[in-house]
Amino acid sequence: DAGVTQSPTHLIKTRGQQVTLRCSPKSGHDTVSWYQQALGQGPQFIFQYYEEEERQRGNFPDRFSGHQFPNYSSELNVNALLLGDSALYLCASSLDSNEKLFFGSGTQLSVL
Amino acid sequence: RKEVEQDPGPFNVPEGATVAFNCTYSNSASQSFFWYRQDCRKEPKLLMSVYSSGNEDGRFTAQLNRASQYISLLIRDSKLSDSATYLCVVSPLGRTDTGRRALTFGSGTRLQVQP
Repeated sequence: DAGVTQSPTHLIKTRGQQVTLRCSPKSGHDTVSWYQQALGQGPQFIFQYYEEEERQRGNFPDRFSGHQFPNYSSELNVNALLLGDSALYLCASSLDSNEKLFFGSGTQLSVL
Repeated sequence: RKEVEQDPGPFNVPEGATVAFNCTYSNSASQSFFWYRQDCRKEPKLLMSVYSSGNEDGRFTAQLNRASQYISLLIRDSKLSDSATYLCVVSPLGRTDTGRRALTFGSGTRLQVQP
């Protein structure tokens, strides 16, 4: 039973560029949430996808967008990268209204 | 004021010690509470849910005080393998029409158990 998988594991970009991160949820899970974790901080909620729609959003600018596919996998897109976007990006999946999240190992994004 | 506040630590304790972490949350309407554990450069993993009546899982005991809006985690007989960051997690938002909530994480408390 595969857990949550994310790709790539590491990524280096320069300011102004765009990036796409990918996530496959745990088998059987239908809801995907994305979190940003800066060094020394807890994960910050970006948004949540269910039935291919963004259902909730945290306090992140429109440069952060996402998508969920019919197979429940998801992408996180960040445009016009800033140095401050450097962080670990975590994808978490869950099923139905169960709040217990299962996290992937994350994508470490460095913006230079 | 942060929605969820934790003492960042680090808490340095010897093996076998008992250690307690507290966490406060600002939204009195919060419904669900959890402790997650995060090892260095790894993903967070659910340690335990927290219930009003208090709950225990082996060496770990979690308690919730709704009146004071704080949550605690007690670890007894600390092991070297308990060294990690412990994240206090709250579900403050009302359920959406899909019945799903987003979780809010504290910044974490770092525990270092020493031999």
